[in-house]
Amino acid sequence: GAGVSQSPSNKVTEKGKDVELRCDPISGHTALYWYRQRLGQGLEFLIYFQGNSAPDKSGLPSDRFSAERTGESVSTLTIQRTQQEDSAVYLCASSYGTGAYEQYFGPGTRLTVT
Amino acid sequence: GENVEQHPSTLSVQEGDSAVIKCTYSDSASNYFPWYKQELGKRPQLIIDIRSNVGEKKDQRIAVTLNKTAKHFSLHITETQPEDSAVYFCAGRGGYNKLIFGAGTRLAVHP
Repeated sequence: GAGVSQSPSNKVTEKGKDVELRCDPISGHTALYWYRQRLGQGLEFLIYFQGNSAPDKSGLPSDRFSAERTGESVSTLTIQRTQQEDSAVYLCASSYGTGAYEQYFGPGTRLTVT
Repeated sequence: GENVEQHPSTLSVQEGDSAVIKCTYSDSASNYFPWYKQELGKRPQLIIDIRSNVGEKKDQRIAVTLNKTAKHFSLHITETQPEDSAVYFCAGRGGYNKLIFGAGTRLAVHP
C-alpha cells in the first residue's frame, strides 16, 4: 500500500519568506509526527498529532513554527519568516495509534533558506 | 530531560566482519527502542526494534540487545556486506510516543 508522502521534495526560499510543508500519512494512521534533521545530524522531534489534536508541541523551536492537521489525515508544517538556521530536512512519520510502536517515515522535504 | 547517546559516530569495517553500535538512554520509563538505517538522501527505514520486556532480538544478520538496568542497548550486525553501509540511528520512545534519536553512526563496509 501507499506509504507516507511529503511535498514538496525540495524547497528553496529566501530568508524572511514563509513556507508550508505537507505530509500525507498512511491511511488509517491516527498518530503523526514531525521531525527535523539538520545536515549530518540526528532527527529532532518537533510536534505530535493524535487525530487533529497536538498534545505535544514541545519540540517546536520558536513561535515561527506552527502545524495543523485536518480530517485526521494531511498535516501542514508552516515556518514563518524563515531563517538560514531553518535549513534542514523535515521528516514526517505516522503510526497506527497511540498504542502502536512502529513509526513509518516519509521521504522528507529538503528546505534551503538562502 | 529525555536523551539518547550513540557511539561511535563513525565505524569502518571489512566485509565479513561484525559491527556493533551502542546507545544509552536517560528516561527510565522508555519501553521501546527502534533502530533505523538511512542511506544517503533516503528516508530512515526501521530495521529492527526491541521492547523493554525482551533482552535480545535477532533477525538474520542483525540483532539488538537491551540492558534495562544499565539503560543501554546495542545493535549487532554480523557478516557485514557493502550494502550495509549507511547511517544507523538508535532511538528511545519518549512521552506521547515520540522518538528520541541518537546522533547516528556512519558505517562503512569495505570490500
